Amino acid sequence: DAKTTQPPSMDCAEGRAANLPCNHSTISGNEYVYWYRQIHSQGPQYIIHGLKNNETNEMASLIITEDRKSSTLILPHATLRDTAVYYCIVDGTASKLTFGTGTRLQVTL
Amino acid sequence: DVKVTQSSRYLVKRTGEKVFLECVQDMDHENMFWYRQDPGLGLRLIYFSYDVKMKEKGDIPEGYSVSREKKERFSLILESASTNQTSMYLCASTSTITGETQYFGPGTRLLVL
Repeated sequence: DAKTTQPPSMDCAEGRAANLPCNHSTISGNEYVYWYRQIHSQGPQYIIHGLKNNETNEMASLIITEDRKSSTLILPHATLRDTAVYYCIVDGTASKLTFGTGTRLQVTL
Repeated sequence: DVKVTQSSRYLVKRTGEKVFLECVQDMDHENMFWYRQDPGLGLRLIYFSYDVKMKEKGDIPEGYSVSREKKERFSLILESASTNQTSMYLCASTSTITGETQYFGPGTRLLVL
């Protein structure tokens, strides 16, 4: 059983905010939500992670619902270089992350 | 900056050859991982290691072995390469600190003819 559910693809206009949803209804209390992205032909790149509070860094913001059953990754001003596959992962540690098939984000002019 | 490096970006081997993929990390991480990535299947964990000389099977260990003789180095070995092992291979490392992230190398694209 997949731990997370993400839409297979999304489009976003350059300069706009990209909001990528993730459902993780079976998340347990000690599991973190991690987001990674993978640009074509490169290794996955860490973006952000959180437990229950919202988080922000220089790349993105992570909004986790109060019941922790879903989250949204926000890229505030998407650029063409943000075109990638975005993976939402839940796990108790980073020691054995299970990657699904993610959301393919296409940023367009 | 954490750096995870892999010995080759591209590799072409023949069926039956022994193949070594090397991964080195410079952050003194305890945990290291080997994944393979195939279209439509996402990343699948082959083997991982929590410490020197320790190894654990991941989800798809068949046809692979690993070696961790030094903390910074984790090798993936294909004893007798087969065409169905043509794939992108990704190495990653992380510390044991709870909530810490995995850092990935650039990947090795292996073609077995």
